[in-house]
Amino acid sequence: NAGVTQTPKFRVLKTGQSMTLLCAQDMNHEYMYWYRQDPGMGLRLIHYSVGEGTTAKGEVPDGYNVSRLKKQNFLLGLESAAPSQTSVYFCASRGPSNTEAFFGQGTRLTVV
Amino acid sequence: SQQGEEDPQALSIQEGENATMNCSYKTSINNLQWYRQNSGRGLVHLILIRSNEREKHSGRLRVTLDTSKKSSSLLITASRAADTASYFCATDAMNRDDKIIFGKGTRLHILP
Repeated sequence: NAGVTQTPKFRVLKTGQSMTLLCAQDMNHEYMYWYRQDPGMGLRLIHYSVGEGTTAKGEVPDGYNVSRLKKQNFLLGLESAAPSQTSVYFCASRGPSNTEAFFGQGTRLTVV
Repeated sequence: SQQGEEDPQALSIQEGENATMNCSYKTSINNLQWYRQNSGRGLVHLILIRSNEREKHSGRLRVTLDTSKKSSSLLITASRAADTASYFCATDAMNRDDKIIFGKGTRLHILP
């Protein structure tokens, strides 16, 4: 099983450009999450989804948008990238509450 | 703000010794989870402890939970070089917002 797959794995953007990160899971999970990880900050929740067609804000949502049109996919968009969005982005999914989350391998994004 | 705070931020021990990491959190929880992250990789789930449990074991891992003190500890016994990684606690709050919030992590280094 592939589990949670993130694409792309690496990307360099210029300030002001836009891009979309894709997260795909093949475990039929309801819940999906997007985090960013910066040195010394641990993982911070950007947005999350509790089911197809639903999204909600996390701890640091500004500058990002998300969509969950299909249950297996959770997209993270940056409309106008800023250097402060340079980070490693992780996607995760899980089944019912009180169960573990499964993580993708991350996307390293650099905004210059 | 982040829910969990790990202590210490960094820990170096000799191979074969035991390693203890602590996590404190702020609000009532459904469960608390511990994850490991090897350098540059995604997070791997280690153990989940529910709010009505006080202790849980998995191989060389022992997790305790004290809901009255809002704290948890992760003990790794007989450490090995392969245990070198960052360890994160994550909380699933009781308010049923389905967020999983991470702390900043403990960097564990096992010395040969």
